[in-house]
Amino acid sequence: GQQLNQSPQSMFIQEGEDVSMNCTSSSIFNTWLWYKQEPGEGPVLLIALYKAGELTSNGRLTAQFGITRKDSFLNISASIPSDVGIYFCAGPFLPRSNDYKLSFGAGTTVTVRA
Amino acid sequence: NAGVTQTPKFRVLKTGQSMTLLCAQDMNHEYMYWYRQDPGMGLRLIHYSVGEGTTAKGEVPDGYNVSRLKKQNFLLGLESAAPSQTSVYFCASSYRARGGLKSYNEQFFGPGTRLTVL
Repeated sequence: GQQLNQSPQSMFIQEGEDVSMNCTSSSIFNTWLWYKQEPGEGPVLLIALYKAGELTSNGRLTAQFGITRKDSFLNISASIPSDVGIYFCAGPFLPRSNDYKLSFGAGTTVTVRA
Repeated sequence: NAGVTQTPKFRVLKTGQSMTLLCAQDMNHEYMYWYRQDPGMGLRLIHYSVGEGTTAKGEVPDGYNVSRLKKQNFLLGLESAAPSQTSVYFCASSYRARGGLKSYNEQFFGPGTRLTVL
């Protein structure tokens, strides 16, 4: 699979603040997906991106497909406690492919700051 | 509409024992996948299937076997469990793309099976 590097590995959020995370790949992708996993559950798809430069929102979440096609960004605005979880980026298993297999990043763990 | 379901939710095995994990989906998806999740390593693909009766190896297939006798079910087998197979296992499914649609990248996941091998 492709090497996907997510940053940061973990973060603490304070209710109301905006947070960002990103994902970079070793190859050019034609698809970027962002998933969220809550404790004890399977990942759930948040946003799918299919075009370089594309900016897509899902409620308070906004994701962008980087123009280099090797990166993607996810922003959470006005954080709330239920935003905690692990956020994964994912892309096609093979570069420049519409292949049906995905590679996943290691995830960004979001925790609420006490 | 239950989506993707997995049984069992938890299991403890001794080294050398065998077991089968069952995945079922009611969305009529063509593609199905088995992943394992380990701390700090994200999700790694074990095996996948593009249709009934077909299976293929993923990124980490060693020590696992799979079968897809029915379109809605995908079984993951461990013939001789090892402590290195202690993990959380997720099943997922997705549509086959038709007419340029890209929904086959959008995989739907089950709730997971937590397996411990002693």
